[in-house]
Amino acid sequence: GEDVEQSLFLSVREGDSSVINCTYTDSSSTYLYWYKQEPGAGLQLLTYIFSNMDMKQDQRLTVLLNKKDKHLSLRIADTQTGDSAIYFCAEDTNAGKSTFGDGTTLTVKP
Amino acid sequence: DVKVTQSSRYLVKRTGEKVFLECVQDMDHENMFWYRQDPGLGLRLIYFSYDVKMKEKGDIPEGYSVSREKKERFSLILESASTNQTSMYLCASSLPPSYEQYFGPGTRLTVT
Repeated sequence: GEDVEQSLFLSVREGDSSVINCTYTDSSSTYLYWYKQEPGAGLQLLTYIFSNMDMKQDQRLTVLLNKKDKHLSLRIADTQTGDSAIYFCAEDTNAGKSTFGDGTTLTVKP
Repeated sequence: DVKVTQSSRYLVKRTGEKVFLECVQDMDHENMFWYRQDPGLGLRLIYFSYDVKMKEKGDIPEGYSVSREKKERFSLILESASTNQTSMYLCASSLPPSYEQYFGPGTRLTVT
């Protein structure tokens, strides 16, 4: 079945770049997503990428997709303390549902 | 902007009570979802609805039911609440073609 794996924790210093990695199993996924969850809140869509793209950039966020290796990454440039949150990778599955990873907790140290 | 609202941010109920969690979205989305989120277990899909009066079981439907009488509203029902249903409940909605999901703020339910 579908599965999405991501590392659980990442710690960076303020001003550095953060790279959060994700692997997925469903090669038929059309869209892949990144969500952010701040403490006590719901998930917020950050960005998504269509499977025929290699890269998508949106301000400080860069998404890289390696479809051959089923690897997705999210790079946050100039990471700020406000970027501290849990980041979820997800892939679309059939009939409009998504499979989510367990989330990567990003800690940004001043 | 898509807005998904949930009826309560925090709820405390007693074991055996019937609990209703309501979710409303304002963007005419076809798909709506109920998840629960527990530490170490990630996001688990309880139920999914792809149209009014249509529903599909997710990964953990036991102990829950749902109702979708109107397109904008999706209700999660705990028929007889138990302590193992203490959790954060998240509602979401989505629309084709890209199916990105828009989440509500969550309801933290405590069953004592």
